[in-house]
Amino acid sequence: GAGVSQTPSNKVTEKGKYVELRCDPISGHTALYWYRQSLGQGPEFLIYFQGTGAADDSGLPNDRFFAVRPEGSVSTLKIQRTERGDSAVYLCASSPDRDTEAFFGQGTRLTVV
Amino acid sequence: KQEVTQIPAALSVPEGENLVLNCSFTDSAIYNLQWFRQDPGKGLTSLLLIQSSQREQTSGRLNASLDKSSGRSTLYIAASQPGDSATYLCAVRPGYTSGTYKYIFGTGTRLKVLA
Repeated sequence: GAGVSQTPSNKVTEKGKYVELRCDPISGHTALYWYRQSLGQGPEFLIYFQGTGAADDSGLPNDRFFAVRPEGSVSTLKIQRTERGDSAVYLCASSPDRDTEAFFGQGTRLTVV
Repeated sequence: KQEVTQIPAALSVPEGENLVLNCSFTDSAIYNLQWFRQDPGKGLTSLLLIQSSQREQTSGRLNASLDKSSGRSTLYIAASQPGDSATYLCAVRPGYTSGTYKYIFGTGTRLKVLA
């Protein structure tokens, strides 16, 4: 594709529900990142994939958060038992490899009510 | 632990002015540094990437410099235009010895260029 695509663009869910956020990286990019951005803050790292494997998941806040990238392209960020504090914009980025320029998607705005 | 700071947090300038945005980082062992632009409610647009071995990068009216030893980078915008109004974010990627490839972001500088 032309750029990193994230779906949905907006998601409103009730506290306690399960949500999945999808990221389609630029074709051929092996590195994929998930970030979370709260209002007025810079993006906060969640997890990094190199190919299919999670090379660094040190940013996941707790075990309610999980991400997969089974075929090394599309990634899904999964949040269980959502809490109001999970409300934020979730950003995905990809790059050709781990050393080069990262390109971000438009983000998914998650609101937990 | 790497920390990234951007000053000022907000800036308003009249159209046509040249301006400088600052980014500082606490650990000079970085792999590269990237400047991004973010429009309200949107994702991040990459502006410039500077590798640790480089001193500066230029793209159009933008020039980014890197002084790794002092832990500083600046983004220079020449002849500012109202369309430059956005939040500018700087992000550093730690060196290989850190064992991580994530970018660490500052909180950004919110720029408003007045017509």
